[in-house]
Amino acid sequence: DAGVTQSPTHLIKTRGQHVTLRCSPISGHKSVSWYQQVLGQGPQFIFQYYEKEERGRGNFPDRFSARQFPNYSSELNVNALLLGDSALYLCASSRELAYEQFFGPGTRLTVL
Amino acid sequence: RKEVEQDPGPFNVPEGATVAFNCTYSNSASQSFFWYRQDCRKEPKLLMSVYSSGNEDGRFTAQLNRASQYISLLIRDSKLSDSATYLCAVNPVTGGGNKLTFGTGTQLKVEL
Repeated sequence: DAGVTQSPTHLIKTRGQHVTLRCSPISGHKSVSWYQQVLGQGPQFIFQYYEKEERGRGNFPDRFSARQFPNYSSELNVNALLLGDSALYLCASSRELAYEQFFGPGTRLTVL
Repeated sequence: RKEVEQDPGPFNVPEGATVAFNCTYSNSASQSFFWYRQDCRKEPKLLMSVYSSGNEDGRFTAQLNRASQYISLLIRDSKLSDSATYLCAVNPVTGGGNKLTFGTGTQLKVEL
């Protein structure tokens, strides 16, 4: 089975712009979570979605939003980009809400 | 105090050595625990879930100590290919949901 896929792999934006990142979970997985990882740190939780509903939100500003579609894929949107948003954005899927999470390869975002 | 703490290392060990990492967590209500392995500029890969009874997978053994609020990972007969960053992750959420809180990771370098 294919793993979690994410697009794009790399992205360069300038401050103030908007970005949309995409994630497709492992087939049969209903939950998608988003994490931000900056260099030298562990991933930090942003959102979790299950059956198209938000089931958890981390300590991120309202500039960050997400949604999950009927096919369980998900988008993460970030508005008004700041230099500090430069990071690796990871999507993880799990079969059900509280099951083990498997990560995709990530989208590396650079904000100039 | 950080929710999840790890010694960042690096741990430099010779091939064939046994190495152990600890990870402490602050929320006594935490429900589930995991070890992930992350190679440089790659996504975290699930290594093991950690159960109350402890679990073993080949050269890897994970243990949970709820009384002292830490989890451990033991790697026996280290291989060069074990060189990576090892992240512990804790789910502090009760009643469903799976917001993983990660430590900063422990870097392992296995040398000839």
